Amino acid sequence: DQQVKQNSPSLSVQEGRISILNCDYTNSMFDYFLWYKKYPAEGPTFLISISSIKDKNEDGRFTVFLNKSAKHLSLHIVPSQPGDSAVYFCAASGEDNDMRFGAGTRLTVKP
Amino acid sequence: NAGVMQNPRHLVRRRGQEARLRCSPMKGHSHVYWYRQLPEEGLKFMVYLQKENIIDESGMPKERFSAEFPKEGPSILRIQQVVRGDSAAYFCASSLWDRGVSPLHFGNGTRLTVT
Repeated sequence: DQQVKQNSPSLSVQEGRISILNCDYTNSMFDYFLWYKKYPAEGPTFLISISSIKDKNEDGRFTVFLNKSAKHLSLHIVPSQPGDSAVYFCAASGEDNDMRFGAGTRLTVKP
Repeated sequence: NAGVMQNPRHLVRRRGQEARLRCSPMKGHSHVYWYRQLPEEGLKFMVYLQKENIIDESGMPKERFSAEFPKEGPSILRIQQVVRGDSAAYFCASSLWDRGVSPLHFGNGTRLTVT
């Protein structure tokens, strides 16, 4: 059962422009959402999180938006840099505290 | 300030052999999780442990797989009688608090290849 879905397997963006990565979830009981970044041959690294009581959280170039009614989460990176090229995983957890991950989106930022 | 340490980084086993994957959590973390990533797929939860206790093993295959997190020493994920379908990257993560309220910190994974 895929409760967290990232429907775009890949995204390509020009350096300096905005990258928008999307994530949808089906379980309305999820109340904690996270984005992780993964480089090849490394483990995922925590990037940013948001709880369901907020609809936006910002940390430098990274902003996460949460639309609870649409069960939709997005990560905005602006401006995008070549070093941002990686696979981005969306994750969510709820009252059972089970953290579920999406399949990931591979972001390529072209110089 | 060592992060989550996993070893070995690469493990090759023949079908039928046993695979042992080790994970030392970040200092001060008592919550450990194991995830598996198959090629072109996301991270699939396997098991969640605290010291000497298995809290949630709902993602663990019922046979051949076991995990422990003893009072002393690293957490171990054991796969007995490996098959080709076990080939994957296995990631361990740890957290300070329960996974529902704090982010997980991942190790660099063990890539298991079954020949």
